[in-house]
Amino acid sequence: DTAVSQTPKYLVTQMGNDKSIKCEQNLGHDTMYWYKQDSKKFLKIMFSYNNKELIINETVPNRFSPKSPDKAHLNLHINSLELGDSAVYFCASSQGGGVGELFFGEGSRLTVL
Amino acid sequence: GESVGLHLPTLSVQEGDNSIINCAYSNSASDYFIWYKQESGKGPQFIIDIRSNMDKRQGQRVTVLLNKTVKHLSLQIAATQPGDSAVYFCAEMTGGSYIPTFGRGTSLIVHP
Repeated sequence: DTAVSQTPKYLVTQMGNDKSIKCEQNLGHDTMYWYKQDSKKFLKIMFSYNNKELIINETVPNRFSPKSPDKAHLNLHINSLELGDSAVYFCASSQGGGVGELFFGEGSRLTVL
Repeated sequence: GESVGLHLPTLSVQEGDNSIINCAYSNSASDYFIWYKQESGKGPQFIIDIRSNMDKRQGQRVTVLLNKTVKHLSLQIAATQPGDSAVYFCAEMTGGSYIPTFGRGTSLIVHP
């Protein structure tokens, strides 16, 4: 049973489109995250969500919006996709409280043409 | 294995050798550190962690060393195996924050 699952695994789309990536965790964790990994493997935090508190990395364009219907889900919605949005997006979860490891999903590779 | 420049640093070793992967962290207030391993096509996975009140911690075949004076972290892998080939990241966290900041990774290539 996958702990953190995200769909789709691959997404190819045209510039200007809107797309969503879904994430679910079955670990009972309180905190979820979205990270973006670029072609040089650099992992950059985009959002974290803990007990309804959303922390946004100020460098993330407002075309990106996280949506959390409940504690087990944190979806990523992207409007007006740009070429530079092409990357691998990772969802993760943790128990929170400033300790402990993050459990990552397998990643969603987004390619914008 | 120091992370500089635009290219992913690479460390090549022979199977059976010991590997040392280095990481320079940025925030002197960081008090919790984790090493992650990312295999091709997968998400990062936890290897070992260390708190700032320690300077060394050992796991199975891995040891993490922390030098707070120079803000340096290292991961030592004993008797490296082909299955250890992956990209390794250090992550730092500051008390009160639950958001890890990742350093640039190091690619470890183990030759049989």
